Amino acid sequence: AQRVTQPEKLLSVFKGAPVELKCNYSYSGSPELFWYVQYSRQRLQLLLRHISRESIKGFTADLNKGETSFHLKKPFAQEEDSAMYYCALKAANTGNQFYFGTGTSLTVIP
Amino acid sequence: GAGVSQTPSNKVTEKGKYVELRCDPISGHTALYWYRQSLGQGPEFLIYFQGTGAADDSGLPNDRFFAVRPEGSVSTLKIQRTERGDSAVYLCASSSRTGGTGELFFGEGSRLTVL
Repeated sequence: AQRVTQPEKLLSVFKGAPVELKCNYSYSGSPELFWYVQYSRQRLQLLLRHISRESIKGFTADLNKGETSFHLKKPFAQEEDSAMYYCALKAANTGNQFYFGTGTSLTVIP
Repeated sequence: GAGVSQTPSNKVTEKGKYVELRCDPISGHTALYWYRQSLGQGPEFLIYFQGTGAADDSGLPNDRFFAVRPEGSVSTLKIQRTERGDSAVYLCASSSRTGGTGELFFGEGSRLTVL
């Protein structure tokens, strides 16, 4: 079975503080992992994907196969980072479905 | 269109009624996904189309749910004999290549309320 776990439903940090949103996955194949973000009153959109190894809006995420984790990090949080964040796994071995975690609501306090 | 379009944006219906939700994907996108999002939960996979055919419908909760994509573009999610537990936001997403990086482009969702 494929599963994505985001243990924190709510996370608050002060502006300028580091932030880490946790994501753990369970998948029997080779995973493709993504972070999606939903800002207030906007649609869900891609933030970053592990295969690109990119930094988007200051966020990075490293796939750790040993710990089966894909945590999202940013060294200095900004107010505009306040949003709902979803970790997603693409089950490429079994048909390209995307499975999403339950999401973490990030609030950056001014 | 410029993005994935879903209609209606809001639908209120009574228990037992039939409902159709429509998704118009980004032009040229061959893959189309339906998700259901209940309050406080992440998007729950329902069904995925590659072209006209359902490549995976394992997420449909029961036989009251059905989806079609007859011409490989617009898709309709159909729910028969609606129940209060069907109340949720139904999200549609499309993707240009299932074998590639696979970014999903989402619509704004159709909020279904079953009274």
